[in-house]
Amino acid sequence: KAGVTQTPRYLIKTRGQQVTLSCSPISGHRSVSWYQQTPGQGLQFLFEYFSETQRNKGNFPGRFSGRQFSNSRSEMNVSTLELGDSALYLCASGGPGNTIYFGEGSWLTVV
Amino acid sequence: DAKTTQPTSMDCAEGRAANLPCNHSTISGNEYVYWYRQIHSQGPQYIIHGLKNNETNEMASLIITEDRKSSTLILPHATLRDTAVYYCIVRPPDLTQGGSEKLVFGKGTKLTVNP
Repeated sequence: KAGVTQTPRYLIKTRGQQVTLSCSPISGHRSVSWYQQTPGQGLQFLFEYFSETQRNKGNFPGRFSGRQFSNSRSEMNVSTLELGDSALYLCASGGPGNTIYFGEGSWLTVV
Repeated sequence: DAKTTQPTSMDCAEGRAANLPCNHSTISGNEYVYWYRQIHSQGPQYIIHGLKNNETNEMASLIITEDRKSSTLILPHATLRDTAVYYCIVRPPDLTQGGSEKLVFGKGTKLTVNP
């Protein structure tokens, strides 16, 4: 059974650009959530999607957005990138059994 | 804010049991205790979770006190590969798939297994 797949693994962007990250959850899982991890702030919840609807949102500016497709795959987008957006972005997949599994993450560097 | 308190760091000798404590004194009756670990530069790895009974799987054992205000994760025979940051998290169940999957992470415990 495949795990949570995130692409790309590494990317470098310039300030002001926008970026889209992709996440494929575990087969059969309908919930996808996103987290940002930085050395200073640790792991912080961004938002969560279930059946294509945003179910919960963390305390991040509107530049951070996401969506979920009918096949449960999810994307998150960050517009007008800032240096402080450099982080590891993690996707988590939730399904029956109440357990949440994480992907390996996407490392974003903003220069 | 995280509802758990963990020591910042711990050391353990290879081959010995690693016992990682967690305080969650404000836990509610329907909230589960979850443990994850994160090895540097990787995504958090699920270890185990429990409600009130002790749990064991191939990775670890989870001991929850009777009053549920604290728990201990036990790695029975620690190896060098167990060196990681361990997170204890409290969350409500998503029984109907209509609840939230949001996890609130604290700073965790940095476990170092020494040869």
